[in-house]
Amino acid sequence: QSALTQPPSASGSPGQSVTISCTGTSSDVGGYYYVSWYQQHPGKAPKLMIYEVSKRPSGVPDRFSGSKSGNTASLTVSGLQGDDEADYYCVSYAGNNNYVFGTGTKVTVL
Amino acid sequence: QLQLQESGPGLVEPSETLSLTCTVSGGSVSSSAYFWAWIRQPPGKGLEWIAAIYFSGTTYYNPSLKSRVAISVDTSKNQFSLKLSSVSAADTALYYCARQGAAAAGRNFDYWGQGTLVTVSS
Repeated sequence: QSALTQPPSASGSPGQSVTISCTGTSSDVGGYYYVSWYQQHPGKAPKLMIYEVSKRPSGVPDRFSGSKSGNTASLTVSGLQGDDEADYYCVSYAGNNNYVFGTGTKVTVL
Repeated sequence: QLQLQESGPGLVEPSETLSLTCTVSGGSVSSSAYFWAWIRQPPGKGLEWIAAIYFSGTTYYNPSLKSRVAISVDTSKNQFSLKLSSVSAADTALYYCARQGAAAAGRNFDYWGQGTLVTVSS
């Protein structure tokens, strides 16, 4: 299984929105509604931000939203804040209890 | 609050076996809604799912690592463990343990340990 493809970087000014794509295949992203997104600050463990494509865990601001179309999932961060500056990873279920991570995107708040 | 803590040697010699244990507190590895997983991150690189186990002992492995990996669970100690054999420098990484939701729990990784760095070097 190959890693899902994410852009290496994305950026936006405070208050703006940034959208990160996560492209897979029909065997992972396109085949299941089990795409999740994680935020990772330097030196910290990843934190779950979105699950099942568009659901937010308790405590995650509604500035974070997810969607999917075909083999590509997306994470949108609206109203960018300084603390949103981090690495973001997507993960997709790939069948047979296997999971594939994305390549990661570094979000910079300008 | 669920907590996971990795433990094990920080340095492993090439061709040897890496062994790590994750101790779970504030919850039970015997929960029917969850699997227990290992995930790694080479320095400066992305994340890779390694394996997962259910409290019953049912195991699942990343196909690319399957020949070298073994995951086990000890419900009496509320722990699960990872063994990775024939390691090389490419296995140097921060190793995380995490709770992995089953289908009914969203198939996501909602709790993570802080990670433990394992360096493969002689």
